[in-house]
Amino acid sequence: EAQVTQNPRYLITVTGKKLTVTCSQNMNHEYMSWYRQDPGLGLRQIYYSMNVEVTDKGDVPEGYKVSRKEKRNFPLILESPSPNQTSLYFCASSLSHSGGEFFGPGTRLTVL
Amino acid sequence: GESVGLHLPTLSVQEGDNSIINCAYSNSASDYFIWYKQESGKGPQFIIDIRSNMDKRQGQRVTVLLNKTVKHLSLQIAATQPGDSAVYFCAENYSGNTPLVFGKGTRLSVIA
Repeated sequence: EAQVTQNPRYLITVTGKKLTVTCSQNMNHEYMSWYRQDPGLGLRQIYYSMNVEVTDKGDVPEGYKVSRKEKRNFPLILESPSPNQTSLYFCASSLSHSGGEFFGPGTRLTVL
Repeated sequence: GESVGLHLPTLSVQEGDNSIINCAYSNSASDYFIWYKQESGKGPQFIIDIRSNMDKRQGQRVTVLLNKTVKHLSLQIAATQPGDSAVYFCAENYSGNTPLVFGKGTRLSVIA
């Protein structure tokens, strides 16, 4: 089954404790991205990747890092999480950056 | 359920009626548009897309209309069903070099 998977689905952590949210797609897509979704603000892109070893900042990259060592994986790293990073996070992938994206199921992150 | 639907415009429709969800986009250079559906607790799901060389595209029970003159996009759902209840997002993209930009979303509530 073609899908985008994210782990964990739910995470409660404390300020400053490094965490990684994994994302994997099995569709051989070149383009992958991370979004955060907040009430009243909609979906905002954090980082995106056009292909392996090619990443770039989206609209709200501050406080986040990503890596794209393999085509299928695109982890999101929060080196020192803060409460304002409490949000619902979505990973997405598509054949190209100009195509419709397939979204993962979401990761609900709470930073205390 | 998820709180992402707070503060969204809401459209309430009687089951069996047609629904029209509107979206104004910002970039006159955008040449690709997508409608997504997001059900509670799930990631956005691709519904239908349209490129700027078209003004209408039809899918199964859905039609997207594009008016480039006034930068307006609409999604029409025929014979709306309870399963159509969700938040609907439009997204735009300029195929040159930019990622998708999402609208804030509209909540569709179907009254049985």
